[in-house]
Amino acid sequence: AQKVTQAQTEISVVEKEDVTLDCVYETRDTTYYLFWYKQPPSGELVFLIRRNSFDEQNEISGRYSWNFQKSTSSFNFTITASQVVDSAVYFCALSEETSGSRLTFGEGTQLTVNP
Amino acid sequence: DTAVSQTPKYLVTQMGNDKSIKCEQNLGHDTMYWYKQDSKKFLKIMFSYNNKELIINETVPNRFSPKSPDKAHLNLHINSLELGDSAVYFCASSPQGTSGPNNEQFFGPGTRLTVL
Repeated sequence: AQKVTQAQTEISVVEKEDVTLDCVYETRDTTYYLFWYKQPPSGELVFLIRRNSFDEQNEISGRYSWNFQKSTSSFNFTITASQVVDSAVYFCALSEETSGSRLTFGEGTQLTVNP
Repeated sequence: DTAVSQTPKYLVTQMGNDKSIKCEQNLGHDTMYWYKQDSKKFLKIMFSYNNKELIINETVPNRFSPKSPDKAHLNLHINSLELGDSAVYFCASSPQGTSGPNNEQFFGPGTRLTVL
């Protein structure tokens, strides 16, 4: 069965600090897909990134970067030089090849960036 | 221009009532989903339809019945509403069904249901 764990329930940082959100997953499939979504206070779910299990290359998009490590079953998300607008709940999610298209979400991490 | 839309955005109703939430996507996607987000922000899939066919049905009470009149619409009907049904319900769509779990799921804005 697939499972996603985001151990950090809440993180609070001061603007311009770097912050890393942890995500650990469990799956028996060899083919799977990992996602990060952002949920700002307005409530919508915003897609950030998708990674498949065969692509362990780290990715950088502006101030965002993702570190995928199959050896530790982790897919961590780092925000560099955080800004107040980054304040949101961030969800890590997993989809297995054999489970169809369902996304299994982690519990989410509430990130608060203070000015 | 809205990709995935849901109506209504807010729904307040009494216990025991029957209500529906509508979802429409204009992305040409084959697969649509309903997720429930509880008060602790936990998101869990409820249903998934691929080309109007039910492909995922999680352990959801029979009071919840999805209906897909065409592949652009997936409505959620809830009978005999209970207090525990209060949550935010998200509709989503993706290009492919079971053959493409790597596809991004586009989410609607959510419907906040409050049962009094």
